[in-house]
Amino acid sequence: KAGVTQTPRYLIKTRGQQVTLSCSPISGHRSVSWYQQTPGQGLQFLFEYFSETQRNKGNFPGRFSGRQFSNSRSEMNVSTLELGDSALYLCASSLEGSYEEQYFGPGTRLTVT
Amino acid sequence: AQSVTQLDSQVPVFEEAPVELRCNYSSSVSVYLFWYVQYPNQGLQLLLKYLSGSTLVKGINGFEAEFNKSQTSFHLRKPSVHISDTAEYFCAVSTSGTYKYIFGTGTRLKVLA
Repeated sequence: KAGVTQTPRYLIKTRGQQVTLSCSPISGHRSVSWYQQTPGQGLQFLFEYFSETQRNKGNFPGRFSGRQFSNSRSEMNVSTLELGDSALYLCASSLEGSYEEQYFGPGTRLTVT
Repeated sequence: AQSVTQLDSQVPVFEEAPVELRCNYSSSVSVYLFWYVQYPNQGLQLLLKYLSGSTLVKGINGFEAEFNKSQTSFHLRKPSVHISDTAEYFCAVSTSGTYKYIFGTGTRLKVLA
């Protein structure tokens, strides 16, 4: 089975721009979660989607948004980028969510200059 | 609200020595507990998980963890580490119906020759 894939792997953007990151979960997985990873902060939960519905979200400003498509692929969008948004963004998928093992993608490294 | 504390940001240990990585959690309801490992430039991989039942959980690569409800801890142990165990280790907690995993800030394990 193919693993979780994330595109692009690396991205450099300028302050004020917007960015869209993509995540393709493992086939058959319907839950997709997004995390922001920064040094010293660990992984911060952004949001979780299941069957195109957002079931939970973390404490991030409204500039961070996401969606999930009918094939379970997910995208997250960050508008009006700030320097502090520089981070590794990780996507994880599981069958149903909550108590299962999450399978992580390699992440997208976003650098905001 | 749930939270996870990993008190040790870095743990140096000599090869073939035992190691314990500490994790404490806070939650008012029953929890599911996880340990993940992240090797450089990679996503996270599950080491082990506690859902219910036996409080001693065995995982991959010779790791094990013990769930202690009274101390709200889930410490990770390995009796003899190898150079290849050098990585960052994350403890995480989830509860039924929240569809949200809370991660600790991570412990960087460095195995010395």
